[in-house]
Amino acid sequence: ETGVTQSPTHLIKTRGQQVTLRCSSQSGHNTVSWYQQALGQGPQFIFQYYREEENGRGNFPPRFSGLQFPNYSSELNVNALELDDSALYLCASTLGTGELFFGEGSRLTVL
Amino acid sequence: GEDVEQSLFLSVREGDSSVINCTYTDSSSTYLYWYKQEPGAGLQLLTYIFSNMDMKQDQRLTVLLNKKDKHLSLRIADTQTGDSAIYFCAETASGTYKYIFGTGTRLKVLA
Repeated sequence: ETGVTQSPTHLIKTRGQQVTLRCSSQSGHNTVSWYQQALGQGPQFIFQYYREEENGRGNFPPRFSGLQFPNYSSELNVNALELDDSALYLCASTLGTGELFFGEGSRLTVL
Repeated sequence: GEDVEQSLFLSVREGDSSVINCTYTDSSSTYLYWYKQEPGAGLQLLTYIFSNMDMKQDQRLTVLLNKKDKHLSLRIADTQTGDSAIYFCAETASGTYKYIFGTGTRLKVLA
């Protein structure tokens, strides 16, 4: 039990649609990051938020955006979905010790 | 560049030792991690090692770090069927929470 919960667990969208994925972290975990894990691959860093500000971004286009809220919840938004966006999206939070606590992920399928 | 490499598959018999290898590229990496992912689940932190250490033992797990060759290994003693999963190594540099993951090694334990 990591204390990080994600919703929804599974969802199906079609190309061009928009999706919002949600994450709830433990109290005090003021840093949250999002990762995309395509089938058969390791997780790829999308971006990180610290105290509601984005402070690091991986090689993902601007249609991937996020929000972090004061209550330790966060969102990942993806606009104009493409087939290659199909993946497991993982949220991870940290107290600042370096150890990441991962949620179970949201599996997105884009048709 | 950012590239963490792992062999894709490993098969061992129950009770034997498993050794999973990883090669990383960033010599400034401060922490190196091993994560376990079971089917349909998120990532579970198994252990980590600080870059100024050569070895770390934690119950059945032994991590060896060769900084000169940028080589990290995870040894699982007395491997059990419950150890069957995908194992990811990951690196991160000081001051950042961006983890760079390998592609994962699928461990299959035969009864």
